[in-house]
Amino acid sequence: GAVVSQHPSWVICKSGTSVKIECRSLDFQATTMFWYRQFPKQSLMLMATSNEGSKATYEQGVEKDKFLINHASLTLSTLTVTSAHPEDSSFYICSASPLRTGSGETQYFGPGTRLLVL
Amino acid sequence: KQEVTQIPAALSVPEGENLVLNCSFTDSAIYNLQWFRQDPGKGLTSLLLIQSSQREQTSGRLNASLDKSSGRSTLYIAASQPGDSATYLCAVKGQAGTALIFGKGTTLSVSS
Repeated sequence: GAVVSQHPSWVICKSGTSVKIECRSLDFQATTMFWYRQFPKQSLMLMATSNEGSKATYEQGVEKDKFLINHASLTLSTLTVTSAHPEDSSFYICSASPLRTGSGETQYFGPGTRLLVL
Repeated sequence: KQEVTQIPAALSVPEGENLVLNCSFTDSAIYNLQWFRQDPGKGLTSLLLIQSSQREQTSGRLNASLDKSSGRSTLYIAASQPGDSATYLCAVKGQAGTALIFGKGTTLSVSS
């Protein structure tokens, strides 16, 4: 099956620093990748839609200057949390759908990155 | 705006019981619906995907149904086991190429 990886899986940083999270589709190409955030005991909330070669589309309430998304290739999207603060501590999950036809638009999810800002 | 609701929020059952998890969505114009499992502190495991033209999908002890016109889906788990304990998430996709919208999940606990 299709595999999506994320790196790092765990990150602890000081308040005010920036953190970059990578999302890779390992065995398929994806024009579009999605970034979600999950707070404790909450569901996944869509943050942004990342399109290869163009600017990301952010959901209402998500600061595009704080959460920088770069989708440089069909297999890699990055999310950078700039000037992180404790309230940004969360579980960040990316997902992607294969380009190939017949996939039924199945979205495959990465294992997530847990961010703790001190 | 699509909203996905899951009932109940939590469920505790003894091993061996058959159970049903419910999911409802406000906009019936969906492309597909997926059920996921999430273990504590972990990522998502896809269980079943139902296309908008389908009525149900089965995998092992799991059966998911879709009634698009009424905006409902159910996940049926037969002969529950302690290993089934997890949070089950329902998510819908409005159009091809768009993101899945998630419900808040049902946390299932199966006791031995």
